[in-house]
Amino acid sequence: AQSVTQLGSHVSVSEGALVLLRCNYSSSVPPYLFWYVQYPNQGLQLLLKYTSAATLVKGINGFEAEFKKSETSFHLTKPSAHMSDAAEYFCAVSGMAGTASKLTFGTGTRLQVTL
Amino acid sequence: EPEVTQTPSHQVTQMGQEVILRCVPISNHLYFYWYRQILGQKVEFLVSFYNNEISEKSEIFDDQFSVERPDGSNFTLKIRSTKLEDSAMYFCASAQSYEQYFGPGTRLTVT
Repeated sequence: AQSVTQLGSHVSVSEGALVLLRCNYSSSVPPYLFWYVQYPNQGLQLLLKYTSAATLVKGINGFEAEFKKSETSFHLTKPSAHMSDAAEYFCAVSGMAGTASKLTFGTGTRLQVTL
Repeated sequence: EPEVTQTPSHQVTQMGQEVILRCVPISNHLYFYWYRQILGQKVEFLVSFYNNEISEKSEIFDDQFSVERPDGSNFTLKIRSTKLEDSAMYFCASAQSYEQYFGPGTRLTVT
């Protein structure tokens, strides 16, 4: 079985500050990991994915994440926050790496960006 | 860029009524999914569909729910007799392999 834990349901940063959103996973098989962003009243947009290639993955809008197997983590970072980054961020793990199986989501982290 | 579409964007129904939520997946995708998100909670998997049959379903997906791909393009989720607790945002997703693309969702409100 797979599970995802996102520490911090709300994170607030100042514009221009580092963004760090935490995700830890549990998986009985080598995982595929994803970060999705949800803007208010919109659907889920894929930010980036880890698929067992490079451990540091870059996504859209300047976000990146590093897969650390020893820590079972896949934290999302962005060097400099922008007001437009305010949204809900979900980490997800795929049931079986390399196959089109279900996604198991974390509870989400709401990012607030202040001036 | 191809995208997943869903209709309607918002559906209001009375308890006990049947609803059908519609999705048009990306055309060359083979795997289809429904998820739901109760307000303020995480996104939960409901069901996956491949090769015209259900490949996996969650415990949420009981006999009140059914899915269908009636015409090779649409993918529908039917709730036979809605309950208050079915109120949620329902997301359709499709995939060619492991990367799932989500639609904008249908907000279902059961009164």
